Amino acid sequence: QKEVEQNSGPLSVPEGAIASLNCTYSDRGSQSFFWYRQYSGKSPELIMFIYSNGDKEDGRFTAQLNKASQYVSLLIRDSQPSDSATYLCAVKTGMNQGGKLIFGQGTELSVKP
Amino acid sequence: GAGVSQTPSNKVTEKGKYVELRCDPISGHTALYWYRQSLGQGPEFLIYFQGTGAADDSGLPNDRFFAVRPEGSVSTLKIQRTERGDSAVYLCASSLIWAGGPDTQYFGPGTRLTVL
Repeated sequence: QKEVEQNSGPLSVPEGAIASLNCTYSDRGSQSFFWYRQYSGKSPELIMFIYSNGDKEDGRFTAQLNKASQYVSLLIRDSQPSDSATYLCAVKTGMNQGGKLIFGQGTELSVKP
Repeated sequence: GAGVSQTPSNKVTEKGKYVELRCDPISGHTALYWYRQSLGQGPEFLIYFQGTGAADDSGLPNDRFFAVRPEGSVSTLKIQRTERGDSAVYLCASSLIWAGGPDTQYFGPGTRLTVL
C-alpha cells in the first residue's frame, strides 16, 4: 500500500462544475496536509494546507480533512479551463517544523470549456 | 531572491559522469529540501537541510548521491557515476521555520537531468 494514494485520473469536468479530488494516507501520525497544483512542465505550486479536521475554504478552493478516515480532499468550485493541471496531495508526519513531504502520484484534472 | 532558483534548468550527461545541481532558496528560509520527480509520479523526497546540517537524508537512494549546504543558504546536490535511472526532474524547495503553524514548502523550477 502506498503511503499517499490518489486517483491518477484523468478527471474531466465541464467548465463551471465542481471538481472533487481525493487523497487517502496510511500513516495515522500524519498531521499536516497540503495540496499542490502542477502545470505540465512546471514545478508544484502550493494551493493550500490543512491540519484540523473539517473544512478550510480559500476562494474557489475548499480542503476537507477527516483524520479518522485518513482522507483529505480538495474541491474546486466554478472550475475554469485554467484549473486544468495535475493536483498533488502531500502529507507531513508530525507538527514539528520542517520535515519531508510524502506525495501522492497526482490526479490530472481537465476542465472542458 | 523572490523565489527558489535552480541551475541548470536542463542537464544532459553521459552514463558514468558526475553532475552537480544547484539550488538557491528563498532569502531567509532556513529549511531546504531536495526531491526528484519521474514522469507521471509525485515528487519523491531525497534530503532535508535545517541550516547547514542534513536533518534527514533518508531519501537518498544510494551513496552515489550527496548534498551539501555549507553556509546554510545555497545547496548543491551531487551525483556520482550517473546511471540512466537517475534521469528525472530534480526539485528543490525551501520553507520558513516559524512558530505559527505548519511550514509550507515552496518549490523551484527544477533541473531536468537526462543521463544518456
